[in-house]
Amino acid sequence: DIQMTQSPSTLSASVGDRVTITCRASQSISSWLAWYQQKPGIAPKFLIYNTSSLQSGVPSRFSGSGSGTEFTLTISSLQPDDFATYYCHHYNSYSWTFGQGTKVEIK
Amino acid sequence: QLQLQESGPGLVKPSETLSLTCTVSGGSISSSSYYWGWIRQPPGKGLEWIGSLYYSGSTYYNPSLKSRVTISVDTSKNQFSLKVSSVTAADTAVYFCARHSRLKDAFDIWGQGTLVTVSS
Repeated sequence: DIQMTQSPSTLSASVGDRVTITCRASQSISSWLAWYQQKPGIAPKFLIYNTSSLQSGVPSRFSGSGSGTEFTLTISSLQPDDFATYYCHHYNSYSWTFGQGTKVEIK
Repeated sequence: QLQLQESGPGLVKPSETLSLTCTVSGGSISSSSYYWGWIRQPPGKGLEWIGSLYYSGSTYYNPSLKSRVTISVDTSKNQFSLKVSSVTAADTAVYFCARHSRLKDAFDIWGQGTLVTVSS
């Protein structure tokens, strides 16, 4: 099974900072990677699919990149609403796998 | 706008079976464009995929839970269900149902989640 490992586990940042979260796959997954944002007590919100495609309604300050085994989620200018936990997610051949999450907290 | 809503007991005794239902409204579960899944999140922890199904009845399970999990669909009620047998405290979690888009290869719509506590 493919394992997804995110880093860092926690990230402290300030409003306006550029933030990058990394997701590494245990083997090559081409470009089939998605990202979600979750706030406490709320269901995850779908942000990005196919590595870099923004879901409708997601602010353009969010972007995704990568291929093979290394992927990144970047927030170009962190806003107060962005403090949350972010998860990467891969689907392939009837197997769904999440990363362990990266919490973005206020510095 | 399609919505998903989880329902079921919030408290289950150890060794018993956890049963939840996800009702799909605003759209049909019988669409070839989607899978339907269950994901759980223990308190303070990350997301764990439990299993998924296709409207035809084909099911796919997380190998770590496969021996205890059954997911089924009732297309006439536009619902799909989850059963987890022989539960322990480790099964205490918020359980989410979600729609997986085959086009985007991602869970694009989620239910609000329901907390299930395993305790005597």
